[in-house]
Amino acid sequence: DAGVIQSPRHEVTEMGQEVTLRCKPISGHDYLFWYRQTMMRGLELLIYFNNNVPIDDSGMPEDRFSAKMPNASFSTLKIQPSEPRDSAVYFCASSRGVYEKLFFGSGTQLSVL
Amino acid sequence: DAKTTQPPSMDCAEGRAANLPCNHSTISGNEYVYWYRQIHSQGPQYIIHGLKNNETNEMASLIITEDRKSSTLILPHATLRDTAVYYCIVRGMPNTGNQFYFGTGTSLTVIP
Repeated sequence: DAGVIQSPRHEVTEMGQEVTLRCKPISGHDYLFWYRQTMMRGLELLIYFNNNVPIDDSGMPEDRFSAKMPNASFSTLKIQPSEPRDSAVYFCASSRGVYEKLFFGSGTQLSVL
Repeated sequence: DAKTTQPPSMDCAEGRAANLPCNHSTISGNEYVYWYRQIHSQGPQYIIHGLKNNETNEMASLIITEDRKSSTLILPHATLRDTAVYYCIVRGMPNTGNQFYFGTGTSLTVIP
């Protein structure tokens, strides 16, 4: 199994531009999580899905952030418009069930200039 | 929410046991304790988890107190490659708000 795959690994964009981050979970995993990591706040949960349905999006910072999971093998996190304070590493993770361990992707390093 | 409290940083001599504490005083009966670590800027890696009994695997041991309000991760013989940030988290049923909140963890430095 290739593990959780995220793309791109690095993204540099200008303020006001739309940014789309992509994630392919491990096949057979029914939970998918999006996290954001910064020095100040550590690793924060943004949103998670169960069977492609968003369950808890209370961590999404504001309306500029949106996440979708159109099928079991693909999810996107979109920021529109992007701002410099969105600069962070964004991780995607998946798990097989409620109490199962998380598998993380390599992350996307986002820099908004 | 059953959040966790960890010291921000710790040092350990190479070859010695590293004991990383975690407080989770508001944990409820159906919540598991999980430990992950993150090396450099890689994604966090699963180490071990438990509910109420002590657990051991090839990486580490997990000691959970009888009242479950705290736990300790033990790396029996720390190596330089164990230098990382270690996260203690609790995970419960969906829709309870306890879905893997990582926080800032403990930065462990293994000293030669």
